[in-house]
Amino acid sequence: DQQVKQNSPSLSVQEGRISILNCDYTNSMFDYFLWYKKYPAEGPTFLISISSIKDKNEDGRFTVFLNKSAKHLSLHIVPSQPGDSAVYFCAASASQTGANNLFFGTGTRLTVIP
Amino acid sequence: DSGVTQTPKHLITATGQRVTLRCSPRSGDLSVYWYQQSLDQGLQFLIQYYNGEERAKGNILERFSAQQFPDLHSELNLSSLELGDSALYFCASSFRQGYNEQFFGPGTRLTVL
Repeated sequence: DQQVKQNSPSLSVQEGRISILNCDYTNSMFDYFLWYKKYPAEGPTFLISISSIKDKNEDGRFTVFLNKSAKHLSLHIVPSQPGDSAVYFCAASASQTGANNLFFGTGTRLTVIP
Repeated sequence: DSGVTQTPKHLITATGQRVTLRCSPRSGDLSVYWYQQSLDQGLQFLIQYYNGEERAKGNILERFSAQQFPDLHSELNLSSLELGDSALYFCASSFRQGYNEQFFGPGTRLTVL
């Protein structure tokens, strides 16, 4: 049962344009959400996170939006750069359960075209 | 560099064998998590330790076990290996429970032949 879903396996964007990566979740207990970026042969690298008490968090070129009623979050990258090409994973945790292990989506491969 | 180290980087073994994967968390981090990533799948949570004690379990097989030592490093033991156990195994660490980012090591690629 996939509780975190990334329905787009891949996305191609021109350099300088906006990249929008989407993620949906089903478990209403999730209250903390994270985006990770992964290059081949490396571990996931933390990018940005958001708590369920917020609907937006921004860090430089990266902004995460959370829509709790729709159980949907998105990552916006503006402007996109070729170095952003990687696999992006959405993850969620339910801290109120006493554990903060992460539930991951299957990833979206972003390709930024120079 | 996340500060989390994992050894070995690659491991090739045969079915039925037993292997041990090692993880050293970031300095000061008390929690260690183990995740498995099979081909074309997301990361699946296996088990968490906090300051030496097991804190949470995910879809970890009975053939797998883990522990966290007093110096906070952790080992994941995989026994009676099957072909389907071939995967990337990641360790992550965080300082405390709650709203904390987890920082991942580079992973160990296990190939079972």
